[in-house]
Amino acid sequence: AQSVAQPEDQVNVAEGNPLTVKCTYSVSGNPYLFWYVQYPNRGLQFLLKYITGDNLVKGSYGFEAEFNKSQTSFHLKKPSALVSDSALYFCAVRPPYNTDKLIFGTGTRLQVFP
Amino acid sequence: GAVVSQHPSRVICKSGTSVKIECRSLDFQATTMFWYRQFPKQSLMLMATSNEGSKATYEQGVEKDKFLINHASLTLSTLTVTSAHPEDSSFYICSARDLQDEGNQPQHFGDGTRLSIL
Repeated sequence: AQSVAQPEDQVNVAEGNPLTVKCTYSVSGNPYLFWYVQYPNRGLQFLLKYITGDNLVKGSYGFEAEFNKSQTSFHLKKPSALVSDSALYFCAVRPPYNTDKLIFGTGTRLQVFP
Repeated sequence: GAVVSQHPSRVICKSGTSVKIECRSLDFQATTMFWYRQFPKQSLMLMATSNEGSKATYEQGVEKDKFLINHASLTLSTLTVTSAHPEDSSFYICSARDLQDEGNQPQHFGDGTRLSIL
């Protein structure tokens, strides 16, 4: 079965420190990979995607993610966290054989402390 | 960029009331829209896929008669929660697929509707 795992319910980091939010997936073939951010009582905002090419992709607000095919991972990273980065982050996968659906992870709450 | 407008943002109503939520694509045509439900501290659960001009495709376990979906135009899909009860209280989010922008983003999301049934 296809699935996306975000092993951490919450990640705490001090402002100015680097952050990593983990994501692994189990989907056959070469899926498209995405990261979304959700602020309280809001919908999802697109951060970045990986389809093909360079394994390190850069996205909005200084975020980047590294695709690792052998580990089937797509971890979200940022070199220097901001308090305003505090939000709920979702990793999502679009299977190559189904262009309609997105499979979401369970989400990771990022808390950046001043 | 593509904008999806969802209305209302918040609804509080009595048990037994039917509630309609609208999802509009403001600057693109969306042949496909999606409806999600999000429980507190949980991920998004896909409820149904809404296709313009045809019946919606519901995910397993989602009651079709409870959650009525209509996608009558290329820019509007509606979700009606019929005879809502407290257990239907949740955060409902819609998204729309922009075929012209699929290379960038597969779905554009609305801001969600917080439904509270008393």
